[in-house]
Amino acid sequence: KQEVTQIPAALSVPEGENLVLNCSFTDSAIYNLQWFRQDPGKGLTSLLLIQSSQREQTSGRLNASLDKSSGRSTLYIAASQPGDSATYLCAALSGNTGKLIFGQGTTLQVKP
Amino acid sequence: DAGVTQSPTHLIKTRGQHVTLRCSPISGHKSVSWYQQVLGQGPQFIFQYYEKEERGRGNFPDRFSARQFPNYSSELNVNALLLGDSALYLCASSSGTGGGLALTDTQYFGPGTRLTVL
Repeated sequence: KQEVTQIPAALSVPEGENLVLNCSFTDSAIYNLQWFRQDPGKGLTSLLLIQSSQREQTSGRLNASLDKSSGRSTLYIAASQPGDSATYLCAALSGNTGKLIFGQGTTLQVKP
Repeated sequence: DAGVTQSPTHLIKTRGQHVTLRCSPISGHKSVSWYQQVLGQGPQFIFQYYEKEERGRGNFPDRFSARQFPNYSSELNVNALLLGDSALYLCASSSGTGGGLALTDTQYFGPGTRLTVL
C-alpha cells in the first residue's frame, strides 16, 4: 500500500530565502509524482509533474526532483516571495486507476 | 479555455440527508476523478471515471456513488450524510489520452465544493 509523507508540516522563512520541501513514498512502483499548490479554502493548482523515467522538472523558480530508488522527491523554491505562501502537496500516481496518493502537505509562510 | 468547474461552491446539509455534487471537466478531457479533503489533510481518492465507466474506487462506503455523462461531466452522490462527511470535495480531470489509464496525464483540479454537515 502506497503511503506518502511530507516533512515538515509547516515552514516559515524570510523573503528571498531558497528552500526545499520534502516528500517520501513507500512504494517505488509509481508512474509519476505531481506537486500541487493549495491556497486556503481553494482547489489545487498543478505545479510540476515528474514521470517515473525522469529525474527532475523545472518551471520558473521551481525545481522538482525524483529519486525512485530512495522513495523521495523534493520541491526546490528559489528566491521565495510572500506570494509563495500556501500549502504544497505532493502526490504519487500508483497503478492504472488514476488514483493519486497525497501527502498531508507542507504549509509554507514567506515573511516580507 | 475554462478550467474544471464544480457546483455548488458551498453546501450545508443536515445528517441523514442526500447531496449531489457536480463537475464539468476541461473541454476535451475524458477522465474525471473525485477526491475528499478533510481539513488539515491531503485529498483522499474516491472515484475515477473514464468514458462513463468506473475505473477506480477508493476506500469509501457504498453511501458514495458517482456517474459520468456522455458529455464527460460527472456527479458525486452521497446518501445518509454523516458529520464526518464534512469536507472539501474536489474534482479533477485529465485528458485520458493514455486510454484512461492516466499514465502520463496531469490531473487538473477544480475549486472544490465545501460541504458542511450539521
